[in-house]
Amino acid sequence: GIQVEQSPPDLILQEGANSTLRCNFSDSVNNLQWFHQNPWGQLINLFYIPSGTKQNGRLSATTVATERYSLLYISSSQTTDSGVYFCAVERSDMRFGAGTRLTVKP
Amino acid sequence: DSGVTQTPKHLITATGQRVTLRCSPRSGDLSVYWYQQSLDQGLQFLIQYYNGEERAKGNILERFSAQQFPDLHSELNLSSLELGDSALYFCASSVDSGKETQYFGPGTRLLVL
Repeated sequence: GIQVEQSPPDLILQEGANSTLRCNFSDSVNNLQWFHQNPWGQLINLFYIPSGTKQNGRLSATTVATERYSLLYISSSQTTDSGVYFCAVERSDMRFGAGTRLTVKP
Repeated sequence: DSGVTQTPKHLITATGQRVTLRCSPRSGDLSVYWYQQSLDQGLQFLIQYYNGEERAKGNILERFSAQQFPDLHSELNLSSLELGDSALYFCASSVDSGKETQYFGPGTRLLVL
């Protein structure tokens, strides 16, 4: 099946810093999503982004489908951005990466 | 609050038993998705229902089954439980069956002893 790799596995930032999270996938996909799971376990769907670029506030995402990767940018990070960020790809089924654990320190 | 409710919040049971997890989607949402999150397997998509019919199937075991009722709530049935079934089970809903935002419930934490 399709492999999904996220990097880095862990990231620690000071409040106000910018960060880039990466998702690589091993085959062509029909769709790609980014999710955030906060420290209390709540999951939030951030983006549906099979290709191109989308922005939502301080977050933006870019997927380059031909090169099989997606990037999630977080600008001016806040402590509330802490948690785990997952990407998930869809081909014949849906596969999640192992996540990037982000800690934003005040 | 996402508007998606899941019951129960916590469930402790024994190996070999059967449990039912319940999900009520947001008002107006026709699709329901089930996910499992465990320490061993990470996050996995289990199954999707759209307006009462199965739409997509993921890594759902044969011991597990789901359905979506006419009022659009969904139930996930887990039988012959094993220790490895201990996990957090999420339900999500979306308006349609395509590429829309999914709204997640708080999850049901299942512990199999």
